[in-house]
Amino acid sequence: GAVVSQHPSWVICKSGTSVKIECRSLDFQATTMFWYRQFPKQSLMLMATSNEGSKATYEQGVEKDKFLINHASLTLSTLTVTSAHPEDSSFYICSARDQAVEQFFGPGTRLTVL
Amino acid sequence: DAKTTQPTSMDCAEGRAANLPCNHSTISGNEYVYWYRQIHSQGPQYIIHGLKNNETNEMASLIITEDRKSSTLILPHATLRDTAVYYCIVRVAYNFNKFYFGSGTKLNVKP
Repeated sequence: GAVVSQHPSWVICKSGTSVKIECRSLDFQATTMFWYRQFPKQSLMLMATSNEGSKATYEQGVEKDKFLINHASLTLSTLTVTSAHPEDSSFYICSARDQAVEQFFGPGTRLTVL
Repeated sequence: DAKTTQPTSMDCAEGRAANLPCNHSTISGNEYVYWYRQIHSQGPQYIIHGLKNNETNEMASLIITEDRKSSTLILPHATLRDTAVYYCIVRVAYNFNKFYFGSGTKLNVKP
């Protein structure tokens, strides 16, 4: 199957700083990528849909000014958590869709805000 | 997208078949059934999907009832590495491929 990577795999930052997470499709072009957040012992929550060359679409309740998404190319989407606070600590997962109906997920990024 | 209901957890002996049920009684005719699993602290892994007919691949089999209101994922010979949370997702294929995850079933494979 197709491979999706994320970088970094984990990050620790101070409260008030911004953190950027990259999501790459390694062997296919992805016009659409998705960002999820997962708190401990909970399921994945869809945050936003990232479309190449256009603005991201955010799910209800997700602050677009806090979670900045850029999909500059067909293989890269970035999620920037701005002015991070401890409550933003979570497991962030991206996924990408190829031409088929399957969706491939990245390995996730563990964010800890001190 | 239709809502799904899965048991919170299940146990299975190593080497035996694991049968994971999923109820999706409000499924529409154009909605597919997808199964993913998530091993601890990793991204979800695609397992299988289907619309009406039963499906089989190298990982599992998917049995969908005739009225499509429920389905069962079958892992024929469970191993310890199959311990994970299994998610049943129902969605329309053209809905920008958005996936909304439910709570899933934690499968514990025991030696």
